[in-house]
Amino acid sequence: AQTVTQSQPEMSVQEAETVTLSCTYDTSENNYYLFWYKQPPSRQMILVIRQEAYKQQNATENRFSVNFQKAAKSFSLKISDSQLGDTAMYFCAFNGNKLVFGAGTILRVKS
Amino acid sequence: DTAVSQTPKYLVTQMGNDKSIKCEQNLGHDTMYWYKQDSKKFLKIMFSYNNKELIINETVPNRFSPKSPDKAHLNLHINSLELGDSAVYFCASSQEFSDTERTEAFFGQGTRLTVV
Repeated sequence: AQTVTQSQPEMSVQEAETVTLSCTYDTSENNYYLFWYKQPPSRQMILVIRQEAYKQQNATENRFSVNFQKAAKSFSLKISDSQLGDTAMYFCAFNGNKLVFGAGTILRVKS
Repeated sequence: DTAVSQTPKYLVTQMGNDKSIKCEQNLGHDTMYWYKQDSKKFLKIMFSYNNKELIINETVPNRFSPKSPDKAHLNLHINSLELGDSAVYFCASSQEFSDTERTEAFFGQGTRLTVV
């Protein structure tokens, strides 16, 4: 079975600082995708960043970047220059033969 | 121009009632999903359809019945509603082009179901 583990239920960061959210997953598949989604209080699910497992290069989207370690089955999200609008629940997700989510990490950005 | 739309956004109903949530996507995707998000925010897949055919059914009670009249629509009908069905239900869609090319899942805005 595919599982996704986010070991940090809650995180806090000061505005303009950098924070890293952890994610590990378990699978026997070789081709898969990994995603980070953001869910603000509006409850809309918003894609933050995606990573194809066959690509060795870590994905980057503006202030958001990932550290993808395929052998370790690790997929962490780094948010640089944190902004108040980054406050949200962040979900790590694995998509092999189905899309499975971690339990989420609440991120609070403080001014 | 909404990509994945669900109706209604909010639904309050009494125990024992039957209700439906509708979902439509205009992205041309082949795969659609229903997820349940509980009070602890955990997102659990319920069903997945590909080209109107059920491909994933994650041990969901028989009271939940998805219906896909065409690949752009995936509705969720719930019979004999129970208190424990209260949650936010998300519809989503995605497209798989090949083993190495797949879109992310696009989500609707969610339907908050409250059973009283």
